Amino acid sequence: AQTVTQSQPEMSVQEAETVTLSCTYDTSENNYYLFWYKQPPSRQMILVIRQEAYKQQNATENRFSVNFQKAAKSFSLKISDSQLGDTAMYFCAFMVAGANNLFFGTGTRLTVIP
Amino acid sequence: ETGVTQTPRHLVMGMTNKKSLKCEQHLGHNAMYWYKQSAKKPLELMFVYNFKEQTENNSVPSRFSPECPNSSHLFLHLHTLQPEDSALYLCASSREGQLSVDEKLFFGSGTQLSVL
Repeated sequence: AQTVTQSQPEMSVQEAETVTLSCTYDTSENNYYLFWYKQPPSRQMILVIRQEAYKQQNATENRFSVNFQKAAKSFSLKISDSQLGDTAMYFCAFMVAGANNLFFGTGTRLTVIP
Repeated sequence: ETGVTQTPRHLVMGMTNKKSLKCEQHLGHNAMYWYKQSAKKPLELMFVYNFKEQTENNSVPSRFSPECPNSSHLFLHLHTLQPEDSALYLCASSREGQLSVDEKLFFGSGTQLSVL
């Protein structure tokens, strides 16, 4: 069974600072994908960044980057130069390649403080 | 706006009521999904439809009944719900039923359901 754990229910960061959200997962699969989704107050889940497990290079999308440690089964999200619009719930998600189901963590509520 | 529209945005119903949630996608996708989001719990996949055929039913109680008349519309019919069914119900779509790192899910804004 696949499980995703986000151990930080809530975090806050000062505007323009950097914050890291943690995520660990458990799987016996070797071919899988990892994702971070953002859910702002509008409730619409938006894909932030994604990573293929066979790629060693960490994915980056503008101010968002990940630290993917496959052996440790860790997939943290770093947000640089935090902006007020980054305030949201952030969900880490896992998917076995070729499947039709994403396994989500319980989320981290991030508040960016002006 | 991701092209996935859900109505109603909020719904309050009694345990004996019958109601339906509606989802519509304008993206030309072939797969649609229902997820349940409860407070402090991971999102749970409920149903998957691929080309109008149900391909996944994650042991969902029969008081939840999905319907997919075409690839653009997905309904979730509700009857005799319990208070523990109160949650945010999210609809999503994807181009194909088999997801990949490039084949992402597009979500709607959900229906916040309260069962009294």
